[in-house]
Amino acid sequence: NAGVTQTPKFQVLKTGQSMTLQCAQDMNHNSMYWYRQDPGMGLRLIYYSASEGTTDKGEVPNGYNVSRLNKREFSLRLESAAPSQTSVYFCASSSQTGYEQYFGPGTRLTVT
Amino acid sequence: AQSVTQPDIHITVSEGASLELRCNYSYGATPYLFWYVQSPGQGLQLLLKYFSGDTLVQGIKGFEAEFKRSQSSFNLRKPSVHWSDAAEYFCAVGERSQGNLIFGKGTKLSVKP
Repeated sequence: NAGVTQTPKFQVLKTGQSMTLQCAQDMNHNSMYWYRQDPGMGLRLIYYSASEGTTDKGEVPNGYNVSRLNKREFSLRLESAAPSQTSVYFCASSSQTGYEQYFGPGTRLTVT
Repeated sequence: AQSVTQPDIHITVSEGASLELRCNYSYGATPYLFWYVQSPGQGLQLLLKYFSGDTLVQGIKGFEAEFKRSQSSFNLRKPSVHWSDAAEYFCAVGERSQGNLIFGKGTKLSVKP
């Protein structure tokens, strides 16, 4: 099993460009999450999906949109990238909310 | 408000020495508790978890943690640290079907030879 996979691993964008970060899990988990990690800020939740067909905002949702495409896949979209969105993005999944989460390897995004 | 505090931002220990990383939480119900480790450039890996029962839980890589309800703590311990344990460690709390986990800000562990 691959666990949680994320693409791409690295990305450089110019201000105003858009992109979608992809995440997939093969553990048959119900819940999926998107975080960003910045130095000194820890992990901050952007959006999560408790189950297929539902999404909810986390701590820092502004500037992002998400789509729970099916049970396996949860994508994060930046419509108009800003330098403040330079960060490392992690996707995670869990059998249900509140339980242990399993993380992907991350996407390092730089916005110039 | 629910919160998780890891009081130590950075700890340095000598290889072979014992380790204790502190985690305190503020949570209304009895939470589920977790410790994660993150090596540089990697994602977070689950070290151990506590749901209920025995308050001393064993995890991977020789780590253990003890849940102390009276102190609202879930400290991580290892009897003898190896150089490969140098990483950042995150404590997290959650509750079944009650939304996301709450993560602490992390403790960075450095290991001296």
